[in-house]
Amino acid sequence: AQSVTQLGSHVSVSEGALVLLRCNYSSSVPPYLFWYVQYPNQGLQLLLKYTSAATLVKGINGFEAEFKKSETSFHLTKPSAHMSDAAEYFCAVSDTGRRALTFGSGTRLQVQP
Amino acid sequence: GAGVSQSPSNKVTEKGKDVELRCDPISGHTALYWYRQSLGQGLEFLIYFQGNSAPDKSGLPSDRFSAERTGGSVSTLTIQRTQQEDSAVYLCASSRNRGGDADTQYFGPGTRLTVL
Repeated sequence: AQSVTQLGSHVSVSEGALVLLRCNYSSSVPPYLFWYVQYPNQGLQLLLKYTSAATLVKGINGFEAEFKKSETSFHLTKPSAHMSDAAEYFCAVSDTGRRALTFGSGTRLQVQP
Repeated sequence: GAGVSQSPSNKVTEKGKDVELRCDPISGHTALYWYRQSLGQGLEFLIYFQGNSAPDKSGLPSDRFSAERTGGSVSTLTIQRTQQEDSAVYLCASSRNRGGDADTQYFGPGTRLTVL
């Protein structure tokens, strides 16, 4: 069975500060890992994904994430937060056997001016 | 090109009524997924269609929920005898079956269902 844990339901950073959103996963087979972003009243937009290629994955809007098998983690980072980054972020896992995504509970990112 | 579309965007219904939610996937995408997003339960998988294979219904919460996919394209999620706990945003996603992008699901804007 798969599961995802996102530490911190709310994260607040200042504009220009480092963004770090944490995600730990559990999977019995090699996972596919994803970060999605959801802006208010909108659907989910893919930020980036890991599918067993490079462990450091770069996504859109300056975000990146590093797959660490030993820590079963896939934390999302951005060096400098922008006001437009304020949204809810979801980490998700799937694998070749189960295509459906299992989502974490989400982290709401607030960016202070 | 066009993304995943869903209709209606909002639906308000009375407890006990049946509702139908529609999803139009991206053209050429053979896989289609339904998820539900609610305050109490977060994002939950409901059902998955892949081509002509039998759907994976393992996420459907009760037998009041059903879905079909006609012609390998448009899908309809039906909720019978709606209950207040069915109130949520229902999200549809689609993906390719093969190729480098096969693992990526593209989501529609969702249908917000309110059961009074």
